[in-house]
Amino acid sequence: AQSVAQPEDQVNVAEGNPLTVKCTYSVSGNPYLFWYVQYPNRGLQFLLKYITGDNLVKGSYGFEAEFNKSQTSFHLKKPSALVSDSALYFCAVRDKGPMTTDSWGKLQFGAGTQVVVTP
Amino acid sequence: GAVVSQHPSRVICKSGTSVKIECRSLDFQATTMFWYRQFPKKSLMLMATSNEGSKATYEQGVEKDKFLINHASLTLSTLTVTSAHPEDSSFYICSATRDGTYEQYFGPGTRLTVT
Repeated sequence: AQSVAQPEDQVNVAEGNPLTVKCTYSVSGNPYLFWYVQYPNRGLQFLLKYITGDNLVKGSYGFEAEFNKSQTSFHLKKPSALVSDSALYFCAVRDKGPMTTDSWGKLQFGAGTQVVVTP
Repeated sequence: GAVVSQHPSRVICKSGTSVKIECRSLDFQATTMFWYRQFPKKSLMLMATSNEGSKATYEQGVEKDKFLINHASLTLSTLTVTSAHPEDSSFYICSATRDGTYEQYFGPGTRLTVT
C-alpha cells in the first residue's frame, strides 16, 4: 500500500527566506509524486509533479522539488518565500501500477503542511 | 489549461433533504473523476471514483446509498448527498483526470452545511 508523510503540521518562514516543505513516501514500485497548494475555501492547485527523468522538478510560482529515491523523499522548495505563499500544501503519491479502472489516478495525500510566511 | 468547475460553491440545507453537487471538466474530457471530502484543516479523503458510463467505485466506509454518484457524460459527474445530516457538513472537492495523462485537476470545492 502506498502512503505519504508530511512530518510538519506547520512551517513558519520570514518573507525572502528559503522555504522547504518536507514529504516522504512509501510505494511498492516507482512513484508518481505531486505537490498541490490549497488556499482557504478553495480547491487544490497543481504545483508540480515527478513522473520520470530529472530528479529536480520545477513547477509553478517558483517552486521546485527534488526526488530522492534513496531517501524516498520529495521535498518542496522555494528559494525566496512570499507572503502570498502562505497556504496549505499537500504532497501526493500514486503507484505506477497497471492503469486499471479502479486504480487509475488514485492519489494518496499527505496530511498537509500549513505554510505561514511573515512579512 | 485544464479547468474543473463545481456547482454550487456553497449550499445550506435542512436535515433530511438531499443536495446535488455538480463537477464539470470545462475544456477536456474526463472518463474518470474523483470525489473527495475534506474536514477543517485536514487532508483530503477519497470517497469514490466516478467512471463515465459505469458505476462508481466507493472507498471502504463510504455509504454508496447515501452518496450517490452519476457520471453520465465525459464532462459531468454529480454527487448527491441523500437525507443529509449535520455530520455530512463538510467541504466536498472533485477532481478530473484528463484522459491519457497522470494529473488530476481539482475543482474549487463545495461547502455543504446541513442544519
